[in-house]
Amino acid sequence: AIRITQSPSSLSASTGDRVTITCRASQGISSYLAWYQQKPGKAPKLLIYAASTLQSGVPSRFSGSGSGTDFTLTISCLQSEDFATYYCQQYYSYLTFGGGTKVEIK
Amino acid sequence: EVQLVESGGGLVKPGGSLRLSCAASGFTFSSYSMNWVRQAPGKGLEWVSSISSSSSYIYYADSVKGRFTISRDNAKNSLYLQMNSLRAEDTAVYYCARPAQAGTHESWFDPWGQGTLVTVSS
Repeated sequence: AIRITQSPSSLSASTGDRVTITCRASQGISSYLAWYQQKPGKAPKLLIYAASTLQSGVPSRFSGSGSGTDFTLTISCLQSEDFATYYCQQYYSYLTFGGGTKVEIK
Repeated sequence: EVQLVESGGGLVKPGGSLRLSCAASGFTFSSYSMNWVRQAPGKGLEWVSSISSSSSYIYYADSVKGRFTISRDNAKNSLYLQMNSLRAEDTAVYYCARPAQAGTHESWFDPWGQGTLVTVSS
């Protein structure tokens, strides 16, 4: 099974900061990676698929990059509504999620 | 509007059983594989099971294999998860999730249901 290591598990940041979250796959997964945002008590919301394609309606401050084993989610200018937990998911072979990154207010 | 609505969660004793349902609307249910994903309290997301559009292909996470059974009724636009021999570690919010792409279970998920809480405790 493909394992996904997501880092950091949590981070503190201020509004306006640039934030980067990474996911590393245990084997190459091409660009078969998605990113989700989850707020407390809510279902995950799709942000990015195919590693770098922004889902319709998602603000352009979110971006994704990477292929193979290393992937990055970047929030270019953190807004108050972005404080949440973020997950990556590989769909190259079966389905596995990263452990999540909680973005908290500094 | 594409919508998924789960039901059937609740409190059950260890060793007990529960059947979850997911009602789908707003899309051609019979064209899509479907999935169950769970999230234990304060923990991350865990894929549980997938079923192909015609029920020909079924997959389970090792953690639930032999205890959970996924099924669907395309005439009723409904997805099910029969959970037997429940353990404390099965306590979680269970989400049904549709792959964004028809015809494959290996896809990103969009949309997700709102989830239903299953609590396994004596």
